[in-house]
Amino acid sequence: GAGVSQSPSNKVTEKGKDVELRCDPISGHTALYWYRQSLGQGLEFLIYFQGNSAPDKSGLPSDRFSAERTGGSVSTLTIQRTQQEDSAVYLCASSLGASDFETQYFGPGTRLLVL
Amino acid sequence: GDSVTQMEGPVTLSEEAFLTINCTYTATGYPSLFWYVQYPGEGLQLLLKATKADDKGSNKGFEATYRKETTSFHLEKGSVQVSDSAVYFCALSGRMDSSYKLIFGSGTRLLVRP
Repeated sequence: GAGVSQSPSNKVTEKGKDVELRCDPISGHTALYWYRQSLGQGLEFLIYFQGNSAPDKSGLPSDRFSAERTGGSVSTLTIQRTQQEDSAVYLCASSLGASDFETQYFGPGTRLLVL
Repeated sequence: GDSVTQMEGPVTLSEEAFLTINCTYTATGYPSLFWYVQYPGEGLQLLLKATKADDKGSNKGFEATYRKETTSFHLEKGSVQVSDSAVYFCALSGRMDSSYKLIFGSGTRLLVRP
């Protein structure tokens, strides 16, 4: 079946602009995660959604970062007033939820470059 | 807090050599442990996992055993192939809260030469 998809695959933006990154999880997966992969920081957790529960935002690095998950499926990660240090690959993952929270399936990522 | 430490790379081996990539962890409670692999130009793929002490995860000839006494989860393969060249990430599932977020090591790049 279809895996996790993310769009765009690459994004180049100017410092100070806002960007939106999209994630489509695997159908039927109730849990959704965002991570960031950067040279300096490795792979970092950003935010987690599970069903209708309040999201775990503990990994968001600043209030410029926010995320939504509409209808329990598609998620959008928004970065406002981008900075050069936001340049990274943003990865989305999903898992089944109640029957298996821990096995996460990753999308191909969105490579963000802030000039 | 919880953390994962894995050996620095790159690791360079000849084809058919034995591979070990060391991984140790620090965690409260009893985390699940994972190895993910990232092939060049591709996304992260789950390679194997173990959910409790003494469990052995295995896949594609790779193995790792969850050792609680040494807090380790070393990845091994008896005979590597050129196609195994990739970056390998050790991770734990931070079950100390409800989010099951993954905490990753820094990654180890493996290069296998013909």
